[in-house]
Amino acid sequence: ETGVTQTPRHLVMGMTNKKSLKCEQHLGHNAMYWYKQSAKKPLELMFVYSLEERVENNSVPSRFSPECPNSSHLFLHLHTLQPEDSALYLCASSQALAGASTDTQYFGPGTRLTVL
Amino acid sequence: SQQGEEDPQALSIQEGENATMNCSYKTSINNLQWYRQNSGRGLVHLILIRSNEREKHSGRLRVTLDTSKKSSSLLITASRAADTASYFCATGGNSGNTPLVFGKGTRLSVIA
Repeated sequence: ETGVTQTPRHLVMGMTNKKSLKCEQHLGHNAMYWYKQSAKKPLELMFVYSLEERVENNSVPSRFSPECPNSSHLFLHLHTLQPEDSALYLCASSQALAGASTDTQYFGPGTRLTVL
Repeated sequence: SQQGEEDPQALSIQEGENATMNCSYKTSINNLQWYRQNSGRGLVHLILIRSNEREKHSGRLRVTLDTSKKSSSLLITASRAADTASYFCATGGNSGNTPLVFGKGTRLSVIA
């Protein structure tokens, strides 16, 4: 295991539902990330948090709302999603501050999201 | 974009053979990393090579980096069925706060 856990592992939701994805890292890292992985597309960076402050937001639709209450936990709140939002959502963490790309990232197992 | 692009998209080999995957990118980098992903799971870091390094080894893995050609290769020697996975390269920019950029990956199948 990588030291990064995600719950739930699978989620099926309707377009009017509200749900949250949870990520927890046990590595004492300073930066945390949300990625979206769709079939046949590169991994898409959604959000980066460094010491609980958002430092990167790659123009993600407002129906995705991140929350980072402390340096070990990261949430992704979902509401009024679309079927095209179905994907594997991956959380990662790294030691470096501000999500610097000089550092190795440690990934959780992902949440497989299906929007009906 | 500095996005890495892996080649080939898919590779199928027999157990015991060597597997070579390539990654090309477009802009200057600070480092290049290779990750592995088993089906439906998270990515696992394999190796990081810095822009001033040309070759790096880790067990059965050998990574090369040619900054003049903006390319890298990952060689897995004596492949095993358990090596079946997708392999991604990720490039790190020279600016301190730029995040890693991942490619689409190479799907490797090792047949026993």
